[in-house]
Amino acid sequence: KQEVTQIPAALSVPEGENLVLNCSFTDSAIYNLQWFRQDPGKGLTSLLLIQSSQREQTSGRLNASLDKSSGRSTLYIAASQPGDSATYLCAFTGGTSYGKLTFGQGTILTVHP
Amino acid sequence: NAGVMQNPRHLVRRRGQEARLRCSPMKGHSHVYWYRQLPEEGLKFMVYLQKENIIDESGMPKERFSAEFPKEGPSILRIQQVVRGDSAAYFCASSPLRQGYEQYFGPGTRLTVT
Repeated sequence: KQEVTQIPAALSVPEGENLVLNCSFTDSAIYNLQWFRQDPGKGLTSLLLIQSSQREQTSGRLNASLDKSSGRSTLYIAASQPGDSATYLCAFTGGTSYGKLTFGQGTILTVHP
Repeated sequence: NAGVMQNPRHLVRRRGQEARLRCSPMKGHSHVYWYRQLPEEGLKFMVYLQKENIIDESGMPKERFSAEFPKEGPSILRIQQVVRGDSAAYFCASSPLRQGYEQYFGPGTRLTVT
C-alpha cells in the first residue's frame, strides 16, 4: 500500500524565514511527484511537478527536490511571506496507478508578520 | 485558458436524494480524476476517466457512486441515495495527454447531506 507522510503537521514562522517541508513515501517506483497548496475552503493549486527522472524543480521562491532512493521529497520556501500561509500537500503517482495521486495529510503553514 | 470548472460549488441534499456533480476539464485535457476530501481527512482518489472510458475506479465506493465522462459534455459524479457520511468536498482534476500527467484541480463541490 502506497503511503505518504508529511512532517511537520503544522509550522508557524515569522515573515522572512526560509523553511523546509518534508514528504516521505513508501513506494520507490513513483512516476511523478506534485506539491500543492490549499487555502481554506478552496481547491488545490499546483506548485511544482517533479518527474521521476528529475531531481528538483524551481519556481520563484519555491524549490522542490526528489530523492527516490530514500523515498523523500522536500519543498523549500525562501523568504516566507504571510501570503504563503496555507496547507501544503505532496502527492505522487506510481506503480501501476500512474493516473492516481496519493496524498499526504499536509503541512499547515502559518507565516506571521 | 479557463481552468477546471466544477458546479455547483455548494450542494445541499437530504438523505436519500441524488447528488450530481459536474466537472469541465481544462481545454485540451482528455483525462479527468475525481477526489474526495472528508472532514478532517486527507484527499482520497476516487476514479480516473478518459473520454467514454473508466480507467481506474479503485477508489470508488462499490455502491451508490458512479462516474462518467461522455464524448460530449462534462464529467459527472453521481451519488445515489446520499447519506450523511457522503458530506465532503469533491474535487475534480484534469491533465493533458502527455508525459508527466500533471493534474490541475478545480475549486471543488462541497456537498452537505442533511
